[in-house]
Amino acid sequence: NAGVMQNPRHLVRRRGQEARLRCSPMKGHSHVYWYRQLPEEGLKFMVYLQKENIIDESGMPKERFSAEFPKEGPSILRIQQVVRGDSAAYFCASSPQATGNYGYTFGSGTRLTVV
Amino acid sequence: QQQVKQSPQSLIVQKGGISIINCAYENTAFDYFPWYQQFPGKGPALLIAIRPDVSEKKEGRFTISFNKSAKQFSLHIMDSQPGDSATYFCAAWHNAGNMLTFGGGTRLMVKP
Repeated sequence: NAGVMQNPRHLVRRRGQEARLRCSPMKGHSHVYWYRQLPEEGLKFMVYLQKENIIDESGMPKERFSAEFPKEGPSILRIQQVVRGDSAAYFCASSPQATGNYGYTFGSGTRLTVV
Repeated sequence: QQQVKQSPQSLIVQKGGISIINCAYENTAFDYFPWYQQFPGKGPALLIAIRPDVSEKKEGRFTISFNKSAKQFSLHIMDSQPGDSATYFCAAWHNAGNMLTFGGGTRLMVKP
């Protein structure tokens, strides 16, 4: 039973390009969460999705960031027109329930570097 | 408030010693408190968790102590080992919310 799979592991983008991060949840998990971790900082919530629905995007920047979790395929976090400040580790987590009482299972993250 | 405050930011412990990391919260609607362990280049991994109706939970060398009235909880690592060197995050789940709120992390180094 594979864990949460994120790819790519490392992504380098030039300023102004688009970054697309993918997350496949654990088998049987239909709830996906994206978090951002800046260097030497904790994890900040970005968005919570279920299949085909954004449930809570209160942590997403209002511009340039979007997320989706289609009926088929992985969840995608998209960052348009990246800037240096977007450089961070982006983690996806999944859970089988709508609450966190079972704890999240995190992927290994995508480390985005904007040059 | 949704904040969870964690201390210390970094901790150095000798092998065999006890590592203690503390967290405090304000929102009484938090009802689930997990701790995560993160090694460099990896994602956080669930270590141990507790609910507010329990004052202590122990799993192997790891113990969570929970003080509901003070709104504080702590992680104790007994007989700390160099392999425990990692960053530890406390977190809290709001019973009407949609996400875990994380503390700022504690970087633990266990010296041989």
